[in-house]
Amino acid sequence: DIQLTQSPSSLSASVGDRVTITCRAGQTIITYLNWYQQRPGKAPKLLIYAASSLQSGVPSRFSGSGSGTHFTLTISSLQPEDFGTYYCQQSYSDPLITFGQGTRLEIK
Amino acid sequence: QVQLVQSGAEVKKPGASVKVSCKASGYTLTNYAMHWVRQAPGQRPEWVGWISNGNGNTKSSQKFQGRVTISRDTSASTVYMEMSSLRSEDTAVYYCARGRVIFGVVNFDYWGQGTLVTVSS
Repeated sequence: DIQLTQSPSSLSASVGDRVTITCRAGQTIITYLNWYQQRPGKAPKLLIYAASSLQSGVPSRFSGSGSGTHFTLTISSLQPEDFGTYYCQQSYSDPLITFGQGTRLEIK
Repeated sequence: QVQLVQSGAEVKKPGASVKVSCKASGYTLTNYAMHWVRQAPGQRPEWVGWISNGNGNTKSSQKFQGRVTISRDTSASTVYMEMSSLRSEDTAVYYCARGRVIFGVVNFDYWGQGTLVTVSS
């Protein structure tokens, strides 16, 4: 299985802050990388697909970048509704899909 | 609008089987693959298996060693995930998720609401 490691595991930030979450893959996955937000008790929600494409309906403050083994999710100006846990997910080894361990984001 | 509606919570004893359903609406079931993802409390999501679009080929994670069967009823626009020989560590929320492929990358653009499966003696 392709391992995905996220950092940090958790963070606390204020409204208006710029937030960056990193996902590193154990081997190259080109740009076969997606990002999800999950709020407590809810299903994950797709934010970014193919490393840098914004899913329809997702605010433009979310952006993704990277290729190979290093990827980032950036929230340009944190909003109160952005709390939750963020997961990266790879599909390079489709259908043997794996997720990162998650980054818990708290709003100060 | 696309919706995936799953069956209700289940409580099972170790060694039993469970079958979870996922009814799709708002699109043609056979045009997209359907994946099953589970999430144990406080853990990351874990891919369970999928049924392909078109001819409905199935595959599940080697972790489950043949305990998982995925099927579909196209007339009912419903996909099923059955897991046998349940263990306590199978306690999790099970999600169905529509698999969409863009630029060759599989992503999950719609999810069911989740079905809690509790395995306890």
